Amino acid sequence: AQSVTQLDSQVPVFEEAPVELRCNYSSSVSVYLFWYVQYPNQGLQLLLKYLSGSTLVESINGFEAEFNKSQTSFHLRKPSVHISDTAEYFCAVSEGGYSSASKIIFGSGTRLSIRP
Amino acid sequence: ETGVTQSPTHLIKTRGQQVTLRCSSQSGHNTVSWYQQALGQGPQFIFQYYREEENGRGNFPPRFSGLQFPNYSSELNVNALELDDSALYLCASSLESEQYFGPGTRLTVT
Repeated sequence: AQSVTQLDSQVPVFEEAPVELRCNYSSSVSVYLFWYVQYPNQGLQLLLKYLSGSTLVESINGFEAEFNKSQTSFHLRKPSVHISDTAEYFCAVSEGGYSSASKIIFGSGTRLSIRP
Repeated sequence: ETGVTQSPTHLIKTRGQQVTLRCSSQSGHNTVSWYQQALGQGPQFIFQYYREEENGRGNFPPRFSGLQFPNYSSELNVNALELDDSALYLCASSLESEQYFGPGTRLTVT
């Protein structure tokens, strides 16, 4: 069975500082990886995904993640964070391929808190 | 906004009671998945429905059951509620690949 480990439960950073949220996965088959964001009192939103091709994927709001097969990692980074980035971030892997029938396995989450 | 709605937003029940949570899928999406997100944890897959049939189930007991209707809306039913059932329940609808999540129903069992 596939699994996802998020190494940090909380990451406090100052505004405009860089941040990295760490994620490692375990899978013996092709992987489809995701980062979801959950703002306070809201549902999950897909931030970015890796399906195939370029190992560096980007979101529209400045986040990027790099798929590293040898290290089985998919860390999320942003060079300069904003107060509005305060949220819970979940790394996830799709089990059973990538289709509407897939089951998504989530990590335990990392709470990103931005200090002014 | 994902177009997926859930009701109610909050709910308080007593141990031993039964509860029904509802999910309205994004238009045209024929697959719905339900997840349980306990406090401080990531969501865990409960089950999935495709065209009104159960299409996969996670490690949850039979007292967790579901329905999907012809219009693809869905219900999650939980019988004999336990304190540990307190959580945010999320549904996600999909058509081909990406799952779109609703805002969730927060269930508190006392």
